[in-house]
Amino acid sequence: DVKVTQSSRYLVKRTGEKVFLECVQDMDHENMFWYRQDPGLGLRLIYFSYDVKMKEKGDIPEGYSVSREKKERFSLILESASTNQTSMYLCASSPPSGPGSTDTQYFGPGTRLTVL
Amino acid sequence: AQSVTQPDIHITVSEGASLELRCNYSYGATPYLFWYVQSPGQGLQLLLKYFSGDTLVQGIKGFEAEFKRSQSSFNLRKPSVHWSDAAEYFCAVGAFPGAQKLVFGQGTRLTINP
Repeated sequence: DVKVTQSSRYLVKRTGEKVFLECVQDMDHENMFWYRQDPGLGLRLIYFSYDVKMKEKGDIPEGYSVSREKKERFSLILESASTNQTSMYLCASSPPSGPGSTDTQYFGPGTRLTVL
Repeated sequence: AQSVTQPDIHITVSEGASLELRCNYSYGATPYLFWYVQSPGQGLQLLLKYFSGDTLVQGIKGFEAEFKRSQSSFNLRKPSVHWSDAAEYFCAVGAFPGAQKLVFGQGTRLTINP
């Protein structure tokens, strides 16, 4: 079974703090993703990574950065947290596309971040 | 660019009744289509997916979905819902040939009346 774990289920931070959200997957997947989920907006892609040290911006990268130093770990960084970054953050991983690939993304349980 | 619309924000059905959740997508080429379910406090779990072939797709937990290219739709159905089906459901579209970048709909919250 694919397992994607996120370092915290709930997190409370203050405005201006630097925040790290960690995600680890155990299936040797090449692709990893960070989404934020807000009511009425569904999931929106922040960043994704298709290999170690590689990253690409998603639809809403402003105010965020990412780090992928090891294949199994993908970190989301809020350089200076703001109240409008209060949200649920979901991490996912998937194998690479290609013949025989399922192209399925597997999700972690999410981190609910509150910025005061 | 692809997009997904789930017209129903919230649906309530009685236990044992049939269910249909609507999903309309916009994409110029062959789409990859997915339905995910999110139970309260949980991450997303894949229910089913369509890549090609038979347009009626069977998934887990007794769900199925039908791809209709002419209507740009991929509606999710279940003949008889159970109280444990109460959750939020997300439709997503990915671009061929890979589905690394998925675009999600806004979600439909399903409430089950006893």
